[in-house]
Amino acid sequence: DVKVTQSSRYLVKRTGEKVFLECVQDMDHENMFWYRQDPGLGLRLIYFSYDVKMKEKGDIPEGYSVSREKKERFSLILESASTNQTSMYLCASSLRALYGYTFGSGTRLTVV
Amino acid sequence: AQSVTQLDSQVPVFEEAPVELRCNYSSSVSVYLFWYVQYPNQGLQLLLKYLSGSTLVESINGFEAEFNKSQTSFHLRKPSVHISDTAEYFCAVSDRGSQGNLIFGKGTKLSVKP
Repeated sequence: DVKVTQSSRYLVKRTGEKVFLECVQDMDHENMFWYRQDPGLGLRLIYFSYDVKMKEKGDIPEGYSVSREKKERFSLILESASTNQTSMYLCASSLRALYGYTFGSGTRLTVV
Repeated sequence: AQSVTQLDSQVPVFEEAPVELRCNYSSSVSVYLFWYVQYPNQGLQLLLKYLSGSTLVESINGFEAEFNKSQTSFHLRKPSVHISDTAEYFCAVSDRGSQGNLIFGKGTKLSVKP
């Protein structure tokens, strides 16, 4: 089974800190995605990547950046954390559309 | 552009009752359809998917979904729910020709009461 591993389940950071959320997948998937999940808003796509060193903005990229230096790792960066970035962050990977996504367990980030 | 509408944000039911979670999508092309389940404080897990062939697809834990092309729907059903089915359910659609992006609905919280 494909595994997508997010480095932290719970994270508490201070306003203004630079925050790194790490995601690693072990099945050589080309496509990787970062979402945030908030009550009533569902999943909102932040960034995605179809290949190493490639990134595309999703629906809500403001305040975030990403890095994909290796195929298996896709990092989400909060340049200067703010309280409105308190959320559940979900990473996913996929091979092709028909296979759907495999999700990590999520990182619940609280910015204080 | 594609979109997915889950008509109910919350569905409360009693244990052993039947349930239907509704999902409609808009797309002008052929699609793949998915249902994901999210248990509290976890990531999403694939429940079932429609790729082609039989319009009725089943999961291992008793859920089923039927693809209806004319109504652009993919409703999820279970004839008798358990307390353990309490979770949030997400419908998703992907163009057959796409790289792999899924469009998600906003989710339906199923709450099963004893």
